[in-house]
Amino acid sequence: AQTVTQSQPEMSVQEAETVTLSCTYDTSENNYYLFWYKQPPSRQMILVIRQEAYKQQNATENRFSVNFQKAAKSFSLKISDSQLGDTAMYFCAFMKNSDSNYQLIWGAGTKLIIKP
Amino acid sequence: GAGVSQSPRYKVAKRGQDVALRCDPISGHVSLFWYQQALGQGPEFLTYFQNEAQLDKSGLPSDRFFAERPEGSVSTLKIQRTQQEDSAVYLCASSLVSGRGYEQYFGPGTRLTVT
Repeated sequence: AQTVTQSQPEMSVQEAETVTLSCTYDTSENNYYLFWYKQPPSRQMILVIRQEAYKQQNATENRFSVNFQKAAKSFSLKISDSQLGDTAMYFCAFMKNSDSNYQLIWGAGTKLIIKP
Repeated sequence: GAGVSQSPRYKVAKRGQDVALRCDPISGHVSLFWYQQALGQGPEFLTYFQNEAQLDKSGLPSDRFFAERPEGSVSTLKIQRTQQEDSAVYLCASSLVSGRGYEQYFGPGTRLTVT
């Protein structure tokens, strides 16, 4: 069975700093997708960034980028020039690419606090 | 445009009661997912619909849980004979296309409390 581990329950950084959130996963699959989702306080879950396992190039979305290490089964999220609005729970998630399975497997989340 | 909506936003049920939770996905979205999120934890997958077909229900925790999407749009998650361990936020998400790698758009969730 697939598992996703986020080892940092909570992180706190100053505004404008760079922060990296860690995520590791366990799978025997070779073809899968990885996601980072953000859940702001009392607001809906939104997608931050996604990565397809067969692509070696790390995904980037403006201030957000990932460091995808397939062999190490690691998928960390880097937030550059952090802003107050980045304060949220961040969840790492995994979905394998197989015919009958649509499960998105989630980590426990990292609470990120951006301080002014 | 309108996002995913869920109703009710909050539901208190006495143990043993049946509840029905509704999800209105974004219009035209083919895929619909249900998740259960316990307090302080990540979501857990419950079930997946592609249009009206329930293609994956492997995450439903017991036969007390039942989901349907009869016309391929609105979906209802029903929980029979609720138990205290069913207390959680139930999230619904939709996606424009079928398939696995696409962005899911989430609703605000229904917080269910079983007393």
